[in-house]
This record gives sequence, C-alpha cells and structure tokens, in this order.
Amino acid sequence: ETGVTQTPRHLVMGMTNKKSLKCEQHLGHNAMYWYKQSAKKPLELMFVYSLEERVENNSVPSRFSPECPNSSHLFLHLHTLQPEDSALYLCASSQDWTNTGELFFGEGSRLTVL
Amino acid sequence: GQNIDQPTEMTATEGAIVQINCTYQTSGFNGLFWYQQHAGEAPTFLSYNVLDGLEEKGRFSSFLSRSKGYSYLLLKELQMKDSASYLCASVDSNYQLIWGAGTKLIIKP
Repeated sequence: ETGVTQTPRHLVMGMTNKKSLKCEQHLGHNAMYWYKQSAKKPLELMFVYSLEERVENNSVPSRFSPECPNSSHLFLHLHTLQPEDSALYLCASSQDWTNTGELFFGEGSRLTVL
Repeated sequence: GQNIDQPTEMTATEGAIVQINCTYQTSGFNGLFWYQQHAGEAPTFLSYNVLDGLEEKGRFSSFLSRSKGYSYLLLKELQMKDSASYLCASVDSNYQLIWGAGTKLIIKP
C-alpha cells in the first residue's frame, strides 16, 4: 500500500463519545499534518508533527488531541465534540515541514457530530 | 492580515480554456501552490511557483507575478474530468501555508 491512508472514512458520533482518527503514510516523509476542511472555507491547519515532535498547534480546542507515535502514524483523538466540529478531516505528509515541497493528502475522514 | 482570494465558482465548456485567478497578501513569500480536489477525494498537487513566469505542465499551466501578488492556473482543452475544486495556497515568511477557499470548476458538455 502506498501514499497516505486514513481511517475511518466516515464517522458519526454524539457529543459525549470518544473516538479516534488514524492516518498512516508509506512515503518515508518526516512531517505529518492534520487539517480541517469545512464547506466553502480555506483549509485550516490543526497540527504539524516533524519527526514525531509537534511543531505547530494553531489554537485548536483541547477536545482535539493529536498523537504521533512514530513518523509513519498520526492519530487525532476526539472527545466531547460540538456539532460545529462536523467537517472533513484531512491528514497529509511531506518530506519536511517547511511547506516548500508537495503535500500528499489522505482522502479524509468525514466527521458528523450529532 | 494574510489573505488569499480566488473565485468561488466558475463554469466552462468542454474543449475550451479556463483561467482561475488567485491573489495573495502574505507576510513574506516562499512560493505558491495549486492543488486539485475532486469531490470526496484528497487534494492532489498540481504546481509550485516561486519565480515569476509561466510554467507549463501538459494541459495545465501556472503563472506567478510576485510584484502583483497574483497567480493563475490555466487549463486547456478542458475535459469533463477537470470538474473539481482548485485550491491556491501561498507560503509565507514563516513557511506557513495560507490557503484560499478554493474555486469550484464546473465543466459543461
């Protein structure tokens, strides 16, 4: 398997649930990202990891908790979410975190919070 | 503040040419990306410009004018499969990507 894979592709959860999104990259990249994509809005960067160390946290609410156990895997743990958190969550990877190289995206996890 | 502007939606005819414009205002500049995103799919890389001028890649070309804070993506010989959203993103002086909201391109037969 190649590229960036995300699971699950679709997730419906209540506001009191706890769930996790998983991302895996098989490209040998050093940087991994979580983005939030809402309709008709720019991509919102949530978290950046470089060699398993967090380098960016753009004022994301604490109900979103990232985890990067190694350079190939990235998780986004979700708890007590709000309906406005419903969106497409995209994982991406790149050779390094300077954003001068191509980003490789996964197909996203479509999250619905009821 | 930092800002990227691109049209929300455009319509074009199969076989024709379309130009999607993007203007950016960022603190510093380290290049500009274009990505294509089909509905329900991952964004995929199209081009990266850091110097002024036109770069051609098959049916797609990307242009950059740093002095005007302006870029465009030119799609020739449009095909139905080109119906997608096109995302413009600028890299600022801190190497942060500043994204536009995307342009939804609709191709009609």
